[in-house]
Order: sequence, then structure tokens, then C-alpha cells
Amino acid sequence: EIVLTQSPATLSLSPGERATLSCRASQSVSSYLAWYQQKPGQAPRLLIYDASNRATGIPARFSGSGSGTDFTLTISSLEPEDFAVYYCQQRSNWPWGCTFGQGTKLEIK
Amino acid sequence: QITLKESGPTLVKPTQTLTLTCTFSGFSLSTSGVGVGWIRQPPGKALEWLALIYWDDDKRYSPSLKSRLTITKDTSKNQVVLTMTNMDPVDTATYYCAHSQAGTGDAFDIWGQGTMVTVSS
Repeated sequence: EIVLTQSPATLSLSPGERATLSCRASQSVSSYLAWYQQKPGQAPRLLIYDASNRATGIPARFSGSGSGTDFTLTISSLEPEDFAVYYCQQRSNWPWGCTFGQGTKLEIK
Repeated sequence: QITLKESGPTLVKPTQTLTLTCTFSGFSLSTSGVGVGWIRQPPGKALEWLALIYWDDDKRYSPSLKSRLTITKDTSKNQVVLTMTNMDPVDTATYYCAHSQAGTGDAFDIWGQGTMVTVSS
């Protein structure tokens, strides 16, 4: 089973700053990597799919990059509503698999 | 507009079988490339994928839980059912169902609100 490791576990930043979140896979997942945002008491929301494609309605300040085993979610300039927990998720085909990372909590500094 | 809603018991006893139903609208689970998955989240912990069923009845399970899980679909009722046997207190979690499609890389693009299940005697 492919393991996803997210870092850092917690990221403390201020509004307006740039956030860089990392997700590393234990083996290649090609570009089958998604990012989700989850706020307290809410279901997760899809931000990025296929490593770099923004989902419908997601602001342009969110961007994803990477392929193979190393992926990054970047938030170019943090808005107050961006402080939440972020998860990466892989959906590989060879072998077939689906796993989530352990999450990165983005908190206000 | 795609919506999904989970339903089932809020409390189950250890060793019992949990049956959860995901009732959806706005899409058909007979459309090529579409899937419905189940994901859970223990209180204060990370998301854990459980199972996924595709439009063509292809079924996938988490390797660590495969022996306890069964996922089925009823296309005519727009429902997906997940059963989990031999429930344990560590299975206490919010259980989500979610829509996936090939057009968004099989990612879970629309989620239900989730249903909290507590396992306790």
C-alpha cells in the first residue's frame, strides 16, 4: 500500500503570506494526486486533482505541482478563510490504490 | 447539482455489523467513469479511505479492512450501501460518502455531510 507523508504537520503563518505544503508518496503515483481542504465540522472540499488542476470554483491562489513521489500545494497569499487542515490523496492504478495523507494543519500565527 | 447523504445508525455495539446507505442525486451510477466511495474520520484524526464502487460494478477495498467490508449499489434507487462487520470501538468515526469521476482524476469531488457512528456497549 502506498503511504503518503505530509509535511509539516502544522504550519503557522499570517494572512497575506505564502503557504507551501508538501506531500511525499512512498512510491510513484504518477500525477494521480489530489488535495483537499477541511474546516472544523465540515466535509472535505476538493481543491486540486491530477496534481495541478484546480477543481471547479477554487480560487487561483491555490496551485498544485509535482509528479511521481513529490507534490506541493501552494497558497500564494493566505486569506483568513484558508486556515484549515489540508489532506493529500493518491489514486494510483499500478497497483490500484487509494490513500490519504495524515494532514497538515494551517493555523494563524 | 450533485448531492449525497449518508444514513444509518448512530450507535452500534461491539461485534455488530454496521450498514450505511449513501443516497445521491444529480448523477447516475450507470454513467461511464463515475464512482462512489466511502471515507471515514475518527474524531480529531485523519481521513481514511474505505471502499469505492464504480459504474461498471468494479469494487475496491482498503487492504487493511477488506475482510470486513462489502460495498454494493442499487442504480435504480440511486443508493450505495456499505456494510462493515465486527465493529469495534476504534471504528467510531464520521463516515462520508463521496462522488468521483474520471474527469477529475477519480478524486472525490463532491462529499456528503457525513454521519457519526459510535461503537459502544
